[in-house]
Amino acid sequence: GDSVTQMEGPVTLSEEAFLTINCTYTATGYPSLFWYVQYPGEGLQLLLKATKADDKGSNKGFEATYRKETTSFHLEKGSVQVSDSAVYFCALCGAGGTSYGKLTFGQGTILTVHP
Amino acid sequence: GAGVSQSPSNKVTEKGKDVELRCDPISGHTALYWYRQSLGQGLEFLIYFQGNSAPDKSGLPSDRFSAERTGGSVSTLTIQRTQQEDSAVYLCASSPLNNQPQHFGDGTRLSIL
Repeated sequence: GDSVTQMEGPVTLSEEAFLTINCTYTATGYPSLFWYVQYPGEGLQLLLKATKADDKGSNKGFEATYRKETTSFHLEKGSVQVSDSAVYFCALCGAGGTSYGKLTFGQGTILTVHP
Repeated sequence: GAGVSQSPSNKVTEKGKDVELRCDPISGHTALYWYRQSLGQGLEFLIYFQGNSAPDKSGLPSDRFSAERTGGSVSTLTIQRTQQEDSAVYLCASSPLNNQPQHFGDGTRLSIL
């Protein structure tokens, strides 16, 4: 079945540091890929998405590129802020069969940014 | 405020009781999903609705769990004879069609004593 693996956390950075959170996936066909973010005390919010190979999703300074050859969708940001402290989830939406429509999530990565 | 609305936001109940969790999706969204977020299991898919029918119930953990959707809108997730392992945050999401980005509610935090 489909699966998503994220780098183990938690991740602690100083403000303005470079961020990478690794995400790899296993799926049949061509899934859509997402990053969701969950700020403290809030629900899940869509951060960015990519629907086909080599697509780059971007939002709020975050970027991720859909790499079919390495089955990866790593999240990056050049300069993090304290307000980026949250839990980040990588997810895929299956392309067909019984996977169609439902999200499969990674385990989440806790990011803490210090001033 | 046209987001996904879930109620109650918190529910504490005794083991063995039945609970009902409600989800109001974004107006016009035909696809509706239930997920569960728990410390040990992360985020797990429970059930998916397209309109009022549920083509995929594969994530429901046991026959104590059931869900329905009426009028292509509101959905109710029911857990009968609750157990302590049912304690989790139950999240609802909706999207205009399946395989489009899903919008999540804030969840219902369920605690079984």
